[in-house]
Amino acid sequence: DIVMTQSPATLSVSPGERATLSCRASRSVTSHLAWYQQKPGQAPRLLIHGASTRATGIPDRFSGSGSGTEFTLTISSLQSEDFAVYYCQQYNNWPRTFGQGTKVEIK
Amino acid sequence: EVQLVESGGGLVQPGGSLRLSCAASGFTFSSYSMNWVRQAPGKGLEWLSYLGTGSQTIYYADSVRGRFTVSRDNAENSLYLQMNGLRDEDTAIYYCARYMDAFGYYPFDYWGQGVLVTVSS
Repeated sequence: DIVMTQSPATLSVSPGERATLSCRASRSVTSHLAWYQQKPGQAPRLLIHGASTRATGIPDRFSGSGSGTEFTLTISSLQSEDFAVYYCQQYNNWPRTFGQGTKVEIK
Repeated sequence: EVQLVESGGGLVQPGGSLRLSCAASGFTFSSYSMNWVRQAPGKGLEWLSYLGTGSQTIYYADSVRGRFTVSRDNAENSLYLQMNGLRDEDTAIYYCARYMDAFGYYPFDYWGQGVLVTVSS
Protein backbone atom coordinates (compact mmCIF):
# COMPACT_ATOMS: atom_id res chain seq x y z
CA ASP A 1 0.00 0.00 0.00
CA ILE A 2 1.11 3.57 -0.63
CA VAL A 3 1.73 5.39 2.64
CA MET A 4 0.87 9.09 2.69
CA THR A 5 2.74 11.16 5.26
CA GLN A 6 1.62 14.68 6.09
CA SER A 7 3.57 17.35 7.89
CA PRO A 8 3.34 19.08 10.20
CA ALA A 9 0.71 17.38 12.35
CA THR A 10 -0.41 20.77 13.64
CA LEU A 11 0.17 24.19 12.12
CA SER A 12 -0.49 27.33 14.15
CA VAL A 13 -1.17 30.32 11.92
CA SER A 14 -2.57 33.80 12.43
CA PRO A 15 -5.51 34.93 10.30
CA GLY A 16 -4.26 36.56 7.14
CA GLU A 17 -1.01 34.64 7.11
CA ARG A 18 0.06 31.96 4.63
CA ALA A 19 -0.13 28.27 5.49
CA THR A 20 1.93 25.61 3.77
CA LEU A 21 1.04 21.95 4.25
CA SER A 22 3.11 19.04 2.96
CA CYS A 23 2.22 15.54 1.84
CA ARG A 24 4.67 12.82 0.83
CA ALA A 25 3.85 9.53 -0.86
CA SER A 26 5.91 6.38 -0.25
CA ARG A 27 6.13 5.91 -4.03
CA SER A 28 5.04 7.90 -7.03
CA VAL A 29 1.36 8.69 -7.43
CA THR A 30 2.02 10.86 -10.51
CA SER A 31 -0.49 13.74 -10.20
CA HIS A 32 -3.30 11.63 -8.72
CA LEU A 33 -3.37 13.52 -5.46
CA ALA A 34 -6.31 15.21 -3.77
CA TRP A 35 -6.64 17.49 -0.76
CA TYR A 36 -9.71 17.54 1.49
CA GLN A 37 -10.78 19.91 4.25
CA GLN A 38 -12.70 18.63 7.26
CA LYS A 39 -14.27 20.77 9.96
CA PRO A 40 -15.51 19.35 13.28
CA GLY A 41 -18.70 17.38 12.90
CA GLN A 42 -18.66 17.66 9.12
CA ALA A 43 -17.81 15.40 6.23
CA PRO A 44 -14.61 16.01 4.28
CA ARG A 45 -14.84 18.45 1.38
CA LEU A 46 -12.80 18.11 -1.79
CA LEU A 47 -10.51 21.11 -2.28
CA ILE A 48 -7.90 20.09 -4.85
CA HIS A 49 -7.59 17.20 -7.32
CA GLY A 50 -5.00 16.35 -9.91
CA ALA A 51 -2.49 17.82 -7.42
CA SER A 52 -3.28 21.38 -8.50
CA THR A 53 -6.84 21.74 -9.83
CA ARG A 54 -9.29 23.47 -7.52
CA ALA A 55 -12.61 21.73 -7.11
CA THR A 56 -15.81 23.57 -7.98
CA GLY A 57 -16.46 26.53 -5.73
CA ILE A 58 -13.11 26.46 -3.95
CA PRO A 59 -11.62 29.97 -3.48
CA ASP A 60 -8.39 30.78 -5.25
CA ARG A 61 -6.53 31.31 -1.97
CA PHE A 62 -6.20 27.51 -1.99
CA SER A 63 -3.54 26.16 -4.31
CA GLY A 64 -1.85 22.82 -4.76
CA SER A 65 1.44 21.82 -6.31
CA GLY A 66 3.75 18.87 -6.76
CA SER A 67 3.92 15.57 -8.55
CA GLY A 68 5.37 12.14 -8.01
CA THR A 69 5.95 11.86 -4.28
CA GLU A 70 6.04 15.43 -2.95
CA PHE A 71 2.99 17.67 -2.74
CA THR A 72 2.06 20.97 -1.14
CA LEU A 73 -1.19 22.69 -0.26
CA THR A 74 -0.90 26.43 0.22
CA ILE A 75 -3.52 28.69 1.72
CA SER A 76 -2.39 32.16 0.76
CA SER A 77 -4.21 34.21 3.39
CA LEU A 78 -5.98 32.27 6.08
CA GLN A 79 -9.57 33.17 6.77
CA SER A 80 -11.44 32.20 9.93
CA GLU A 81 -13.36 29.51 8.05
CA ASP A 82 -10.11 27.82 6.94
CA PHE A 83 -9.17 26.56 10.38
CA ALA A 84 -9.76 22.83 10.01
CA VAL A 85 -8.03 19.52 9.40
CA TYR A 86 -6.62 18.88 5.94
CA TYR A 87 -6.05 15.45 4.43
CA CYS A 88 -4.20 14.42 1.33
CA GLN A 89 -5.25 11.30 -0.58
CA GLN A 90 -3.65 9.36 -3.39
CA TYR A 91 -5.89 7.85 -6.04
CA ASN A 92 -3.24 6.30 -8.23
CA ASN A 93 -3.37 2.85 -6.68
CA TRP A 94 -5.72 0.59 -4.75
CA PRO A 95 -6.21 0.78 -1.88
CA ARG A 96 -6.83 4.51 -1.91
CA THR A 97 -4.95 5.92 1.06
CA PHE A 98 -5.10 9.13 3.07
CA GLY A 99 -2.51 10.99 5.04
CA GLN A 100 -3.02 11.27 8.77
CA GLY A 101 -4.07 14.91 8.50
CA THR A 102 -2.72 18.35 9.34
CA LYS A 103 -4.68 20.45 11.79
CA VAL A 104 -4.53 24.16 11.01
CA GLU A 105 -5.26 26.07 14.19
CA ILE A 106 -5.45 29.70 15.16
CA LYS A 107 -2.20 31.10 16.54
CA GLU B 1 -28.01 19.51 -5.75
CA VAL B 2 -26.02 16.35 -5.10
CA GLN B 3 -27.04 14.69 -1.84
CA LEU B 4 -25.85 11.53 -0.16
CA VAL B 5 -27.63 10.45 3.00
CA GLU B 6 -26.42 7.51 5.06
CA SER B 7 -28.58 5.52 7.45
CA GLY B 8 -28.58 2.26 9.36
CA GLY B 9 -25.94 2.98 11.95
CA GLY B 10 -26.21 2.25 15.65
CA LEU B 11 -24.92 0.17 18.52
CA VAL B 12 -24.07 -3.46 17.85
CA GLN B 13 -22.32 -6.13 19.87
CA PRO B 14 -18.98 -7.59 18.77
CA GLY B 15 -19.58 -10.30 16.22
CA GLY B 16 -22.85 -8.75 15.15
CA SER B 17 -24.04 -7.43 11.82
CA LEU B 18 -25.32 -4.15 10.47
CA ARG B 19 -26.38 -2.90 7.05
CA LEU B 20 -25.70 0.68 6.08
CA SER B 21 -27.55 2.46 3.32
CA CYS B 22 -26.68 5.55 1.31
CA ALA B 23 -29.50 7.28 -0.55
CA ALA B 24 -28.34 9.37 -3.49
CA SER B 25 -30.13 12.23 -5.22
CA GLY B 26 -29.40 15.16 -7.48
CA PHE B 27 -27.34 13.23 -10.02
CA THR B 28 -27.55 10.17 -12.26
CA PHE B 29 -26.53 7.59 -9.66
CA SER B 30 -26.05 4.78 -12.17
CA SER B 31 -23.31 6.77 -13.94
CA TYR B 32 -20.99 7.09 -10.95
CA SER B 33 -18.87 4.68 -9.02
CA MET B 34 -19.24 4.89 -5.25
CA ASN B 35 -17.14 4.33 -2.15
CA TRP B 36 -17.35 3.80 1.58
CA VAL B 37 -14.89 5.58 3.88
CA ARG B 38 -14.79 5.53 7.66
CA GLN B 39 -13.32 7.61 10.44
CA ALA B 40 -12.72 6.23 13.91
CA PRO B 41 -13.33 8.69 16.76
CA GLY B 42 -10.64 11.35 16.74
CA LYS B 43 -8.75 9.59 13.93
CA GLY B 44 -8.13 10.03 10.22
CA LEU B 45 -9.91 8.77 7.14
CA GLU B 46 -9.79 5.14 6.01
CA TRP B 47 -11.06 4.08 2.59
CA LEU B 48 -13.02 0.81 2.81
CA SER B 49 -14.63 -0.12 -0.49
CA TYR B 50 -15.22 0.87 -4.12
CA LEU B 51 -18.10 -0.25 -6.30
CA GLY B 52 -18.27 0.40 -10.01
CA THR B 53 -21.35 1.57 -11.86
CA GLY B 54 -22.47 -1.88 -12.93
CA SER B 55 -21.36 -3.62 -9.74
CA GLN B 56 -18.76 -5.56 -11.72
CA THR B 57 -15.71 -3.88 -10.28
CA ILE B 58 -15.32 -4.06 -6.51
CA TYR B 59 -12.38 -3.31 -4.27
CA TYR B 60 -12.03 -3.69 -0.51
CA ALA B 61 -9.51 -2.62 2.07
CA ASP B 62 -7.71 -5.53 3.72
CA SER B 63 -9.22 -4.52 7.06
CA VAL B 64 -12.76 -5.38 5.92
CA ARG B 65 -12.33 -7.88 3.08
CA GLY B 66 -14.30 -11.03 3.81
CA ARG B 67 -16.46 -9.32 6.45
CA PHE B 68 -18.02 -6.38 4.60
CA THR B 69 -19.95 -6.52 1.32
CA VAL B 70 -20.75 -3.50 -0.82
CA SER B 71 -23.67 -3.43 -3.21
CA ARG B 72 -25.90 -0.99 -5.04
CA ASP B 73 -29.38 -0.72 -6.49
CA ASN B 74 -29.30 1.72 -9.37
CA ALA B 75 -33.08 1.63 -9.70
CA GLU B 76 -33.37 2.78 -6.09
CA ASN B 77 -30.38 5.18 -6.27
CA SER B 78 -28.90 3.48 -3.26
CA LEU B 79 -25.58 2.13 -2.06
CA TYR B 80 -25.25 -0.44 0.70
CA LEU B 81 -22.62 -1.82 3.04
CA GLN B 82 -23.36 -5.14 4.73
CA MET B 83 -21.09 -5.44 7.74
CA ASN B 84 -20.68 -8.84 9.40
CA GLY B 85 -18.37 -10.04 12.15
CA LEU B 86 -18.10 -6.55 13.60
CA ARG B 87 -15.20 -5.80 15.92
CA ASP B 88 -14.51 -3.06 18.45
CA GLU B 89 -12.13 -1.45 15.98
CA ASP B 90 -14.95 -1.03 13.45
CA THR B 91 -16.41 1.70 15.65
CA ALA B 92 -16.42 4.78 13.43
CA ILE B 93 -18.39 7.25 11.41
CA TYR B 94 -19.10 5.69 8.03
CA TYR B 95 -19.33 7.91 4.97
CA CYS B 96 -20.46 7.13 1.46
CA ALA B 97 -18.58 9.14 -1.12
CA ARG B 98 -19.09 9.62 -4.83
CA TYR B 99 -16.26 8.86 -7.20
CA MET B 100 -15.78 11.87 -9.43
CA ASP B 101 -16.57 9.82 -12.54
CA ALA B 102 -17.55 6.32 -13.60
CA PHE B 103 -14.03 4.86 -13.74
CA GLY B 104 -10.43 5.92 -13.98
CA TYR B 105 -8.32 8.00 -11.65
CA TYR B 106 -10.57 10.27 -9.62
CA PRO B 107 -11.01 11.54 -6.08
CA PHE B 108 -14.23 11.61 -4.08
CA ASP B 109 -16.13 14.75 -4.93
CA TYR B 110 -19.24 14.45 -2.75
CA TRP B 111 -19.63 12.90 0.68
CA GLY B 112 -22.60 12.08 2.85
CA GLN B 113 -22.89 13.45 6.37
CA GLY B 114 -21.88 10.12 7.83
CA VAL B 115 -23.49 7.59 10.14
CA LEU B 116 -22.07 6.38 13.45
CA VAL B 117 -21.49 2.70 14.06
CA THR B 118 -20.56 1.70 17.60
CA VAL B 119 -19.39 -1.83 18.31
CA SER B 120 -19.49 -2.56 22.01
CA SER B 121 -20.75 -5.11 24.47
